[in-house]
Amino acid sequence: GAVVSQHPSRVICKSGTSVKIECRSLDFQATTMFWYRQFPKQSLMLMATSNEGSKATYEQGVEKDKFLINHASLTLSTLTVTSAHPEDSSFYICSAQGTSFSYEQYFGPGTRLTVT
Amino acid sequence: DAKTTQPNSMESNEEEPVHLPCNHSTISGTDYIHWYRQLPSQGPEYVIHGLTSNVNNRMASLAIAEDRKSSTLILHRATLRDAAVYYCIFLQGAQKLVFGQGTRLTINP
Repeated sequence: GAVVSQHPSRVICKSGTSVKIECRSLDFQATTMFWYRQFPKQSLMLMATSNEGSKATYEQGVEKDKFLINHASLTLSTLTVTSAHPEDSSFYICSAQGTSFSYEQYFGPGTRLTVT
Repeated sequence: DAKTTQPNSMESNEEEPVHLPCNHSTISGTDYIHWYRQLPSQGPEYVIHGLTSNVNNRMASLAIAEDRKSSTLILHRATLRDAAVYYCIFLQGAQKLVFGQGTRLTINP
């Protein structure tokens, strides 16, 4: 199946700093990428939908100025958590969608962010 | 948001079949039913999807009710590696997947 990678897999940063997470589709072109956040023992929560070459669409309650998303190519999307705080500590997961009519998505392995 | 109902947890024994139910009474005629699973500390993994007919792949089978208001994911011979949270999702004409709480499947050796 299609492969999606994320980098880094784990990051620890100090409060107030910014962190960038990369999501890459390795063997297919992804016209749409999605970013999710997952807190311990909870389900995935969609943060935003990103289409290549256009601005991301954020879900209600997600601050677009805090979670900057860039989808500059068909194989790369980045999520930057700006001025991170301890409450931003979470598991961030991206997914990429190819051109299948059935909207199948392929997920990355996730990035564990810890803000101290 | 698209709403599905699944049991919070299920338990089965290794090498036995597992039937994971899902209710989706608000599904419309063009919505695909998707199943994903998530192992601990990993991203979700695609399992199977279908529209109307039952579907089989190397991982599982998907049985869809005739009225499409429910479906069942079937693992024919469960292994310890199948222990995960299984999510049943359908898309209401949109691209985005809305995850519910899923079913936590425990496999006993």
